[in-house]
Formats: sequence, C-alpha cells, structure tokens
Amino acid sequence: KQEVTQIPAALSVPEGENLVLNCSFTDSAIYNLQWFRQDPGKGLTSLLLIQSSQREQTSGRLNASLDKSSGRSTLYIAASQPGDSATYLCAVLPYTGGFKTIFGAGTRLFVKA
Amino acid sequence: EPEVTQTPSHQVTQMGQEVILRCVPISNHLYFYWYRQILGQKVEFLVSFYNNEISEKSEIFDDQFSVERPDGSNFTLKIRSTKLEDSAMYFCASRSDRGRNEQFFGPGTRLTVL
Repeated sequence: KQEVTQIPAALSVPEGENLVLNCSFTDSAIYNLQWFRQDPGKGLTSLLLIQSSQREQTSGRLNASLDKSSGRSTLYIAASQPGDSATYLCAVLPYTGGFKTIFGAGTRLFVKA
Repeated sequence: EPEVTQTPSHQVTQMGQEVILRCVPISNHLYFYWYRQILGQKVEFLVSFYNNEISEKSEIFDDQFSVERPDGSNFTLKIRSTKLEDSAMYFCASRSDRGRNEQFFGPGTRLTVL
C-alpha cells in the first residue's frame, strides 16, 4: 500500500532563505508526483507535476526533483518570501490502486519577515 | 485555461440533513473523483467515477454517500444524512484519458455540520 511521508511537518525560516521540503513514498510504481500549496482553510494550488520519466521540474523560484528509485522528491524554494507561508503537500499517482492520488500530510512553512 | 469548479464554496447544515455538493469537471475529461480533507488531516480519496459508474471507493464511502453525473456536465456528491464527522473540505477532481495522467482539482467545498 502506497504511503507518502513529508518531513519536516513544520518549518520556520527567515525571509530570503533557500529551503528544501522533503517527500518520500513507499512504492516507486507511480505515474507522477505533484506538489501543491494549500493556504489555511483554502483549496489546493498545483505548483509542479513531475512525470515518472522526469527528474525535475522548475517554475520560477520553485524546483522539484524526483528520484523514483529511492522513493524521494524534494521541493526547493529559493529566496523565500513571507507570501510563501502555507502548507505544501506532496502527492503521488500510483500505477496500482485505481488512479487515486495519495497525499502526504504536508509541511507547514512559515517565512518570517 | 480550463478548470474544475465547485459549488457552493461553503455549506452549513444541520446533522441528519441531506447535502449535495456540486462539481463541474473539465469538459473533455472522462474520470471524476471526490476527495475530502478533515481539518488538520490528510487529503483522502473517497470515490472515483468513470463511464457513469463508480470504479473504486474507499471504506469511508459508505451507504450514506452517493455520486451522480446527472446531465453530462455536473458531477455531484450526495450525503444522505450528515454526521458531525462529515465536516470537512471536499475536493472534486477530473482527469483526461490521455496526456499526463494529471488530476485537476477544484477549489473545494467546505462542509460544516452542526
């Protein structure tokens, strides 16, 4: 059964720092991995999607990597800003299990001005 | 850019009442999903729907829940007799049968059961 774990659960950094959020998954048989942002009480904003054949994706200050064989992904945020404060969710779409996305519990990020 | 929409954004109901949450998936998508997120917990799968029938459901999706695609554009989740523990954010998602196998998520409906 696929499980997704995110470390750390919470992170507080000063503005301007570069930071890395970690995601691990137990079964490497995935179609893709996706990173979402969720503001308190709000919906899911898709940040980056990495296909299983890809190693990384970039969008602005965000870079996500995927190492399928080791079951790991990282989300790198460069030059963090207070507006980056949110919960970041990692989610995988496994080959098995009927195409349902499996989510991690998220990392709560707070960027201090 | 096409997007999944959901209505209402917030629904408040009394315990025991029926609620219907509505979703309009992206128009050429064929696979539809409902997920829920209880406050402070993980987003979890409820049900998937394809070709006018449920293709998979989780253990959460008991007889109190049903889904329907009534008119070719809407996709609904009905909870027959709401319980306090049904309070959560409910997300609809849809997926094409081609391309990146990406699920597109709606903005969610926050359901509060009093």
